[in-house]
Amino acid sequence: NAGVTQTPKFQVLKTGQSMTLQCAQDMNHEYMSWYRQDPGMGLRLIHYSVGAGITDQGEVPNGYNVSRSTTEDFPLRLLSAAPSQTSVYFCASRTGTGVVTQYFGPGTRLLVL
Amino acid sequence: DQQVKQNSPSLSVQEGRISILNCDYTNSMFDYFLWYKKYPAEGPTFLISISSIKDKNEDGRFTVFLNKSAKHLSLHIVPSQPGDSAVYFCAASDSGGSNYKLTFGKGTLLTVNP
Repeated sequence: NAGVTQTPKFQVLKTGQSMTLQCAQDMNHEYMSWYRQDPGMGLRLIHYSVGAGITDQGEVPNGYNVSRSTTEDFPLRLLSAAPSQTSVYFCASRTGTGVVTQYFGPGTRLLVL
Repeated sequence: DQQVKQNSPSLSVQEGRISILNCDYTNSMFDYFLWYKKYPAEGPTFLISISSIKDKNEDGRFTVFLNKSAKHLSLHIVPSQPGDSAVYFCAASDSGGSNYKLTFGKGTLLTVNP
């Protein structure tokens, strides 16, 4: 079991560029989510999905897009990167309803110049 | 409005002593609480949790206490070890709400000195 995997580990973008952060899990978890961590801000929920084909917004969704075509994958898209999106991004997953504990990937560090 | 607060950004303790990390919450609908530990350049890892029907949960050196009337929980680590040095996040969930979303505090950096 690889658990939750994220690629890339580190990325530098220029303002206005687009990119996709990849997240995959091999635990057959229904629920997946994306968080960003900024200094002094803790982890904030960007988007989440309760199953393939179902996504919803979290606390800070602006500037990000998600889709969930398979149970395993939950990519996060930045359509036009901004310096304010410089952050560390974590993907997490958990099994279905009744279980609260989420398991996190190792993170992607993004720098937008 | 910050619903989960960790008011101490950092804590330093000696090896072998007790570490006490505190967390306060404002949303009375929260009924499940978790602690995550995070090392630099790694993702958060689940440490211990507690349901609101309990006031204490213990797992080895780690104990979480919940005081619902005060909307306060704490994580006790006894004895503290240098390998415990990490950022600790408190998180809360409303299991009756939408999809068990977790709300995190800002974290407390614990340093255990040898």
